[in-house]
Amino acid sequence: DAGVIQSPRHEVTEMGQEVTLRCKPISGHDYLFWYRQTMMRGLELLIYFNNNVPIDDSGMPEDRFSAKMPNASFSTLKIQPSEPRDSAVYFCASTQRGRETQYFGPGTRLLVL
Amino acid sequence: GQQLNQSPQSMFIQEGEDVSMNCTSSSIFNTWLWYKQDPGEGPVLLIALYKAGELTSNGRLTAQFGITRKDSFLNISASIPSDVGIYFCAGQAQAGTALIFGKGTTLSVSS
Repeated sequence: DAGVIQSPRHEVTEMGQEVTLRCKPISGHDYLFWYRQTMMRGLELLIYFNNNVPIDDSGMPEDRFSAKMPNASFSTLKIQPSEPRDSAVYFCASTQRGRETQYFGPGTRLLVL
Repeated sequence: GQQLNQSPQSMFIQEGEDVSMNCTSSSIFNTWLWYKQDPGEGPVLLIALYKAGELTSNGRLTAQFGITRKDSFLNISASIPSDVGIYFCAGQAQAGTALIFGKGTTLSVSS
């Protein structure tokens, strides 16, 4: 089975531009998580979905960040406008209800200049 | 909110040595997990612990779920160069809720 798929793997953009990160969870998983990883703050949960519905978005930094899950096989994390401090690795993870073991994608490395 | 304290932050060891790292929490967890992250990749699950006092092994790795449910440790025996990476603990309070991650332990192994 394919694991969690994220695209793009790398993104370099200029401050003020819109950035869209994409994630395809493992088929059959009903939970999807977005994390951000930086040296200073480690792995931070941004938002998670259950059955395509956002459950907890308290980790989303500010209104510039938004996430959607239009169906069970696709989610996006959008940053608009992007700022240099958004530079980080963004991970998507998925799991099934009752199974705590989250499976992570390879991450998107974002650099905002 | 819940916080995990993971220590040490980093370790530099010789090949063949044993390694120990641990996590403590300010509150109780029902599940403890240990992940490893290789450079340029996402974290990969190593061991999952579901019961207080549980001791689980995966090859050279051994992890324990503390009796108080507020701590866990991971041991790596006879380290090898491919053990290099960042090790994360993670705790979960209830099924279906988000994991709380420690800040990670960066392991370097010299041969």
